[in-house]
Amino acid sequence: GENVEQHPSTLSVQEGDSAVIKCTYSDSASNYFPWYKQELGKRPQLIIDIRSNVGEKKDQRIAVTLNKTAKHFSLHITETQPEDSAVYFCAANNFNKFYFGSGTKLNVKP
Amino acid sequence: DTGVSQDPRHKITKRGQNVTFRCDPISEHNRLYWYRQTLGQGPEFLTYFQNEAQLEKSRLLSDRFSAERPKGSFSTLEIQRTEQGDSAMYLCASSLAGSVGTGELFFGEGSRLTVL
Repeated sequence: GENVEQHPSTLSVQEGDSAVIKCTYSDSASNYFPWYKQELGKRPQLIIDIRSNVGEKKDQRIAVTLNKTAKHFSLHITETQPEDSAVYFCAANNFNKFYFGSGTKLNVKP
Repeated sequence: DTGVSQDPRHKITKRGQNVTFRCDPISEHNRLYWYRQTLGQGPEFLTYFQNEAQLEKSRLLSDRFSAERPKGSFSTLEIQRTEQGDSAMYLCASSLAGSVGTGELFFGEGSRLTVL
């Protein structure tokens, strides 16, 4: 099966700074890469996704980049706000199954 | 229909007992997934269905775990002879897969299992 690695495991930034979270995957057949945000005690929710035929996608303060050759993808959050504090998970879809990274706990300090 | 619902939200059981969790996906979604999440980890794939067919089950999944989706709507996940290592959050998710490929995964709130 697919193996997704995510880092860093924790990230602390000052409000207004940017945050970057990186993931790598092992199987070149993976073709869809969503990012989920999970607040404490709540369900994971999709914040942005990218398909393998696209290199970059942006939605307001959030962007995702994909490098298929290197098999890595990254989440970029600009102008961070305290409400961005949560755990973020990357995932790779491989033959209809989603494999998740171990998560990054983002703390945005006011 | 406001989303994926799971029942019960919390279950405390003694080692050796059987437990069953239920998931009701978003009504038009044809795919249903079960994941397990432990503290500080990402969701771990257990099994998934397309309509009523169970298409894949994780190789790491013990034979004590079984899942069904009898009419292609709700699903149940049963754990027999529970062990303390089964303590985790069990997440259900659904998606609509179509001609453009895999759709967004929508998660339920989860069923938290504690095995004493």
